[in-house]
Amino acid sequence: EAQVTQNPRYLITVTGKKLTVTCSQNMNHEYMSWYRQDPGLGLRQIYYSMNVEVTDKGDVPEGYKVSRKEKRNFPLILESPSPNQTSLYFCASRAQGLGNTIYFGEGSWLTVV
Amino acid sequence: RKEVEQDPGPFNVPEGATVAFNCTYSNSASQSFFWYRQDCRKEPKLLMSVYSSGNEDGRFTAQLNRASQYISLLIRDSKLSDSATYLCAVNDQGSYIPTFGRGTSLIVHP
Repeated sequence: EAQVTQNPRYLITVTGKKLTVTCSQNMNHEYMSWYRQDPGLGLRQIYYSMNVEVTDKGDVPEGYKVSRKEKRNFPLILESPSPNQTSLYFCASRAQGLGNTIYFGEGSWLTVV
Repeated sequence: RKEVEQDPGPFNVPEGATVAFNCTYSNSASQSFFWYRQDCRKEPKLLMSVYSSGNEDGRFTAQLNRASQYISLLIRDSKLSDSATYLCAVNDQGSYIPTFGRGTSLIVHP
């Protein structure tokens, strides 16, 4: 089954404690991306990757890091989380080619206290 | 800056009603268009792609108006289960990076 898998799904953490949200896809997709979704603001892109070792900033990259060492994995790293990073996070992937749709993971609810 | 705009709603309609949403985009070079459905606290899921000639899938019809730069989604015979947020997504030519609208909330009541 085609899947984008994120972990953890739910996390409460404290300010400043480094955390990583993992993302893995089994569709051999080149493109992967992280979004955060906040009430009234819609989906905002954090970082994206066009392929292995190729990453770039989205609209709201501050406070986040990513890496793409393997095609299937695209972890999101919060080096020093702050309360304004409390949000719902989605990982997504798609294949190359115009018209190909995006597949989303189930989302990770992150609360920073 | 690329813009994709949607009326946030909510659109509050009775069962059986026909409802339509629009989504405007600012980049005339945009090439591919999609409608996604998002249930509360869940991930967006593809509802349908939008083709130049328009397309229909059961009670759902999507259309593209390139001259006025908008796409539309028409839902006929609304069901309670259609209650959700509908997101439009737009891809520019040569880009793999879609721009999402903020979504339109639909509430179908008995």
